[in-house]
Amino acid sequence: GAVVSQHPSRVICKSGTSVKIECRSLDFQATTMFWYRQFPKQSLMLMATSNEGSKATYEQGVEKDKFLINHASLTLSTLTVTSAHPEDSSFYICSAASGPTINSPLHFGNGTRLTVT
Amino acid sequence: EDKVVQSPLSLVVHEGDTVTLNCSYEVTNFRSLLWYKQEKKAPTFLFMLTSSGIEKKSGRLSSILDKKELFSILNITATQTGDSAIYLCASLIQGAQKLVFGQGTRLTINP
Repeated sequence: GAVVSQHPSRVICKSGTSVKIECRSLDFQATTMFWYRQFPKQSLMLMATSNEGSKATYEQGVEKDKFLINHASLTLSTLTVTSAHPEDSSFYICSAASGPTINSPLHFGNGTRLTVT
Repeated sequence: EDKVVQSPLSLVVHEGDTVTLNCSYEVTNFRSLLWYKQEKKAPTFLFMLTSSGIEKKSGRLSSILDKKELFSILNITATQTGDSAIYLCASLIQGAQKLVFGQGTRLTINP
């Protein structure tokens, strides 16, 4: 089955620093990847849709200058949390479609737990 | 605003019981309804439902979609402790190609 790899799985950083999270589709090409955030005991909230070769589409309320998304190839999308603050601590999960999304389920990476101290 | 609502939010049963999890949705440009199981990390895909009234089964799990009443149910029979997880349903939005998730149902199976 389709595999999505996310790295790192866990990161602790100091307030004010930036953190980059990678999301790779290992055995398929993903023209679209999605970034979600999940707070403890809450559901997944879509942050942005990452399109290969073009600008990401951000959901309402998500600061695009704070959460930089780059989708440079058909197998890699990155999310950079800039100038991180403790309130950015969360579980970030990416997903990718293995085909036309309307016909294929989205596959998720294992997530990155970010802790900002 | 697109919305997906799951119930109950939490459920505790004994091993061997049968459970039914509910998911209702109000979305524009609905395409499909997906169910995921989330344990400690990322959600794992269970079912994708696009047509009304057609039951999908996988072992002890089954699910069905009602597009007239805008809901779906996920059934788990003969539950086992390994079924303990958060079950998420999500609506796939056509055109936008994005998933809108419900709050999840935290299912606990006690031995």
